[in-house]
Amino acid sequence: GESVGLHLPTLSVQEGDNSIINCAYSNSASDYFIWYKQESGKGPQFIIDIRSNMDKRQGQRVTVLLNKTVKHLSLQIAATQPGDSAVYFCAEILPGSGNTGKLIFGQGTTLQVKP
Amino acid sequence: DGGITQSPKYLFRKEGQNVTLSCEQNLNHDAMYWYRQDPGQGLRLIYYSQIVNDFQKGDIAEGYSVSREKKESFPLTVTSAQKNPTAFYLCASRWGSTEAFFGQGTRLTVV
Repeated sequence: GESVGLHLPTLSVQEGDNSIINCAYSNSASDYFIWYKQESGKGPQFIIDIRSNMDKRQGQRVTVLLNKTVKHLSLQIAATQPGDSAVYFCAEILPGSGNTGKLIFGQGTTLQVKP
Repeated sequence: DGGITQSPKYLFRKEGQNVTLSCEQNLNHDAMYWYRQDPGQGLRLIYYSQIVNDFQKGDIAEGYSVSREKKESFPLTVTSAQKNPTAFYLCASRWGSTEAFFGQGTRLTVV
């Protein structure tokens, strides 16, 4: 079936370093991708999104890169802070399901920030 | 304030009982979603609705039912047919081709 997967279950980084979280998606026709951050016991929060007509999008301290050739998505967090410790999910809108269609999530990567 | 509200935050169910989880949004979003999350796992799609009076099964719909009688509301019923209902349930809504907004979740425990 369709799936959005992540390469590593846990990523541990030193405070102040940059973090890179990866995601592989399976459907080459998907055209909208979202990154979410989830803290323990809470609902996911939107971080940044990107559409398939873009390769890169930047936000505040975060950058998302999209490589459609290898169906790969990454989230880069600059100068990682202790407050960045959370689980990060990528999500994908499956093609053919309309603008408000089926939104599926990967397994998540736990980011641990060491002081 | 605009947002999406799930209630209750914690819910306990006896085996064999049906329970209904509430999800309400005042964002005027067309689409609404229900996900299940197990410890250390990702979000799995149960049901979603793109418009009032219409909904589609997600990847794990067995043992669950939904209704979408109003744009603002998308309640999820966990039926006795769901053999392992203990989980964290998340509701979300979207408008057009934008990101989904999530509620704070309901933690359901079978006792």
